[in-house]
Amino acid sequence: GENVGLHLPTLSVQEGDNSIINCAYSNSASDYFIWYKQESGKGPQFIIDIRSNMDKRQGQRVTVLLNKTVKHLSLQIAATQPGDSAVYFCAEPNNAGNMLTFGGGTRLMVKP
Amino acid sequence: ETGVTQSPTHLIKTRGQQVTLRCSSQSGHNTVSWYQQALGQGPQFIFQYYREEENGRGNFPPRFSGLQFPNYSSELNVNALELDDSALYLCASSLALAGVKDTQYFGPGTRLTVL
Repeated sequence: GENVGLHLPTLSVQEGDNSIINCAYSNSASDYFIWYKQESGKGPQFIIDIRSNMDKRQGQRVTVLLNKTVKHLSLQIAATQPGDSAVYFCAEPNNAGNMLTFGGGTRLMVKP
Repeated sequence: ETGVTQSPTHLIKTRGQQVTLRCSSQSGHNTVSWYQQALGQGPQFIFQYYREEENGRGNFPPRFSGLQFPNYSSELNVNALELDDSALYLCASSLALAGVKDTQYFGPGTRLTVL
C-alpha cells in the first residue's frame, strides 16, 4: 500500500452493521501482515495479524482474510460499535523484518 | 495497553533546536523501532535498534539519531529542527527472534511541534 496523504478513504457504517476494510499489497513474497487501529492522538494499536500460510484468521469480533492470488487482505469487524471509530492501517514488515510499511489507512466512522 | 511508554507526550521547539525523545519498551522485548507520523499519513520508519546497535534505517537524514540502552529503552535525537519535523513520533517494541518476523507494539507517541 502507498500513502494517500491527507485524504483518507472513509467508511461510514451504522452501529451494529459489519464493516469491511480492504488493503492491497504489491510484493508477492510478502508473508506477514498486521492490522492496526489508531484513534485520534494515540499510537497504533495491534488488532490482528496473519501469516501467508493462512487464508483466514479470527479474533474477537474481527476476521482477517488474505488472498495471495490477488495480493489483497481485508479486515472484517462484526457488529461494529462506536468505539471502533478510528483509522485502520494494514502493515507489512520488509524482508529483514525490521521495518514496517503501512498502507494509506482507512477512516471508519460508526453512526449511532 | 501495550506497556510501551514514551516521554514527553507533547513538546514545542523552535527551528534549529535539538530534541530528545524517550521510549521504554514492553517487558520482555529487546528491539525498539522509531516512526514519524505526519498529520493524515501513515507512520514512516526512521530506524530500529537491537542489542544497542542500529538495525536498519529509513529515508531520514543523519540529524536523526538514536540510542538503545542495556535495559532496551531508547532515545531518538533530532538536531537542527526544521518545520517539517513537526509530527507524532512513535516508538514500537518487539521481540526479535531469529528467522521470525515479529509484531511491533506501539507506544502512545510524542507530539512534536516545531515553530
